[in-house]
This record gives sequence, structure tokens and C-alpha cells, in this order.
Amino acid sequence: QQQVKQSPQSLIVQKGGISIINCAYENTAFDYFPWYQQFPGKGPALLIAIRPDVSEKKEGRFTISFNKSAKQFSLHIMDSQPGDSATYFCAASWTGNQFYFGTGTSLTVIP
Amino acid sequence: GAGVSQSPSNKVTEKGKDVELRCDPISGHTALYWYRQSLGQGLEFLIYFQGNSAPDKSGLPSDRFSAERTGGSVSTLTIQRTQQEDSAVYLCASSPGTSGRGLYNEQFFGPGTRLTVL
Repeated sequence: QQQVKQSPQSLIVQKGGISIINCAYENTAFDYFPWYQQFPGKGPALLIAIRPDVSEKKEGRFTISFNKSAKQFSLHIMDSQPGDSATYFCAASWTGNQFYFGTGTSLTVIP
Repeated sequence: GAGVSQSPSNKVTEKGKDVELRCDPISGHTALYWYRQSLGQGLEFLIYFQGNSAPDKSGLPSDRFSAERTGGSVSTLTIQRTQQEDSAVYLCASSPGTSGRGLYNEQFFGPGTRLTVL
């Protein structure tokens, strides 16, 4: 059973546009929701993360929106740039336990 | 400072052979994770070490897979009698538990080992 479901699988956005990636989870015990960015040939790197006690977290052009009742969270990339082209993974975890990752979204930002 | 390192970066082996993949975590990190990433797929959890506690092996796909972590630092993932479906990138990550950014349990990933089983 997929603990974290991610969509879309791929996304193409024009430079300056907004990229939105969505994730949904099942286990209400999850208390940590990070997003990772992965460039080809590299390991994933933490981009931004949120705890369920807040509904939104913003860092620069990156924002996580969190809906606890719907068990959904999303990543918004404002003013998307070609350098943002990468694969993005959402994940979920709870204290001291393993992480469950989504299947990834390949983002392409067209100049 | 140095990040997580993995060796080898690439490994080509023949079906039925055993392979060992190495991970050097960031010094002082108490948690260490192994993941498998198949082409175009997400990260599949394999095993998790936390300090001196018994490892969480719930993600290991078969008894051909095993891992150990010596002295709370370096870890080795061993795959015995490799099969073609074992071909993937194997990623290691370490975590300090909390980070200077105040983020909970941030994981720092290595560059991975690309395993190809012919």
C-alpha cells in the first residue's frame, strides 16, 4: 500500500509561472512532511518541511500548504525558473521512524 | 564539511554474484537510512539504523539483502546472489535527529551507488 501518493508524475511550466505538486497521505500518525529536490545524478536534498501544527510554511519562492483534515499537502514554487527543473519528492514520517516517499514529480521549467 | 559519501559510485556485476555497497555518514549523525531508487521511481525504504537500537529492517525486499553499521558510523549494504531486478540506484542518508535549521530529523543524502546486474 502506497503510504504517500504524489501527483502529477510530470509537470511543464513556463518561466515565471507557478508550479504546484500535490501529495496525500493515509497515516494520521505522520508528524513531519518534507519535500526533497533531486537533480540528475545527485541524491535528493531537503527543500522545505512542515509539521502538522501549521497550515503553511514559506521559504523564499517555495511554499508548503498543509490540510490536516484532508490529509493532503502541496508544494508551490512561485516565479518558477529553469534552474528549478528537477524531480521533487514529498515524504512523510513520524517520530523516530522511517520515511515514506512519494513517487516523484519531474518538473521542467521552459525558458 | 564533508557530506555523506558512498562507494562505489557505479557497480556492474553478474547475476548471482554478491555485492557490497558502502556508506560513510556525516560525522556525529546518529541515524542512517538506506533506500533503493529504480529508474523513474520514488525512493523505496530498505533499512534504518538509529544509534544503538536494533535496526528497522522492515523494508528489506528479501533475505538476500542485509546491512550492518559498525561503530555507529560506516554502513555496508550487502546483496547476495544478485538478480537483474536488483539493478537500481542505492541511496544512503544520515540524520542528526535535529539540524541547525531547526528542522525535525533532516536527512542528508549521498550521491548514490548505481548497481547494474547483467
